[in-house]
Amino acid sequence: NAGVTQTPKFQVLKTGQSMTLQCAQDMNHNSMYWYRQDPGMGLRLIYYSASEGTTDKGEVPNGYNVSRLNKREFSLRLESAAPSQTSVYFCASSGGQGRRETQYFGPGTRLLVL
Amino acid sequence: GENVEQHPSTLSVQEGDSAVIKCTYSDSASNYFPWYKQELGKGPQLIIDIRSNVGEKKDQRIAVTLNKTAKHFSLHITETQPEDSAVYFCAASQSKLIFGQGTTLQVKP
Repeated sequence: NAGVTQTPKFQVLKTGQSMTLQCAQDMNHNSMYWYRQDPGMGLRLIYYSASEGTTDKGEVPNGYNVSRLNKREFSLRLESAAPSQTSVYFCASSGGQGRRETQYFGPGTRLLVL
Repeated sequence: GENVEQHPSTLSVQEGDSAVIKCTYSDSASNYFPWYKQELGKGPQLIIDIRSNVGEKKDQRIAVTLNKTAKHFSLHITETQPEDSAVYFCAASQSKLIFGQGTTLQVKP
């Protein structure tokens, strides 16, 4: 099992450019999440998908959109990137047999917006 | 909404000593409290968790305690080793995880 995979690992954007961060999990989990991590602020939830076909806003959804493409894949899109979106982005999934709440994280995408 | 405060933000201990990280939460409905370890350049990894019907849980050198009345929980690492050096996050959840700000633990050989 690869667990949770994310692409790309690193990205540099100019202000106003768009991009999509990809996430996939092979653990047959129902729920998937996107977080951003900034120094001194822990991880903050951007969007989540409790099951295939549903998405909901988290703490900091402004400037982002998501798509739950199928049970395995959950993408995060920045339509017009801003310097304030410079961060490390983590995808996670949960819903394993007997441990529904445990979230498993991907390796992260480091994004720099100039 | 839920708020989780974590202290200290940095912690330096000598190899073999114990380390304690504390968190407080605001939502009394929270019922699941995981701890994550994040090594440099990697994603957070669950190391231990506790549910609100349990006061203490231990797994080898790590233990977590929960005081529901006071709304705080703690991570205890005994006999620390250099490979314990990392950033540790607590979290609290009733439906969604809310994370603390993180503690950078340095274990000096």
